Amino acid sequence: QQQVKQSPQSLIVQKGGIPIINCAYENTAFDYFPWYQQFPGKGPALLIAIRPDVSEKKEGRFTISFNKSAKQFSLHIMDSQPGDSATYFCAADQGGGSQGNLIFGKGTKLSVKP
Amino acid sequence: NAGVMQNPRHLVRRRGQEARLRCSPMKGHSHVYWYRQLPEEGLKFMVYLQKENIIDESGMPKERFSAEFPKEGPSILRIQQVVRGDSAAYFCASSSQFRQSSYEQYFGPGTRLTVT
Repeated sequence: QQQVKQSPQSLIVQKGGIPIINCAYENTAFDYFPWYQQFPGKGPALLIAIRPDVSEKKEGRFTISFNKSAKQFSLHIMDSQPGDSATYFCAADQGGGSQGNLIFGKGTKLSVKP
Repeated sequence: NAGVMQNPRHLVRRRGQEARLRCSPMKGHSHVYWYRQLPEEGLKFMVYLQKENIIDESGMPKERFSAEFPKEGPSILRIQQVVRGDSAAYFCASSSQFRQSSYEQYFGPGTRLTVT
């Protein structure tokens, strides 16, 4: 049973485009939603994260939009560059300060063409 | 380098042997998590530890897998009598003990286990 559904599985955009990756969750107890970027052969790197009390968060070229009622959140990458080509994972955490069980989506492989 | 350290980076074992994977958390972090990643898949939680305590092992297979985080030294994920299905990338993550930032997990480079 997958608790975090991520789409699309792969995405190709031109340099300068704005790729959008979507995630949906089921468990309303989730209260922390991070995004990770992973390059081949490397560990996931924390990009940006959001909590349900805000609808949007920006850090540099990365923006998370959050829709609590729809139980959905998405990652937007502004002015995408070839160096952004990587696999992106959304995740969710039930948290509460005592749990660390991040539930990951299956990932989106992004390719940014020059 | 103050990041999460894992070793070895690559490990090859024959079926039936034991695999030991090590993880040193980021400086100042006292929480350690282990995840497994199969090819083309997301990460699956295995176990969450604090010093000398297993907090949540709900993702650990019931047999052959164990984890520890001793008072001194790195966290160890041990897989006994490995089988081909154990071939995967194993990632360790760490987080701070302080509640405000305790959600942020930082990952190491992983250990790629191949069972032949």
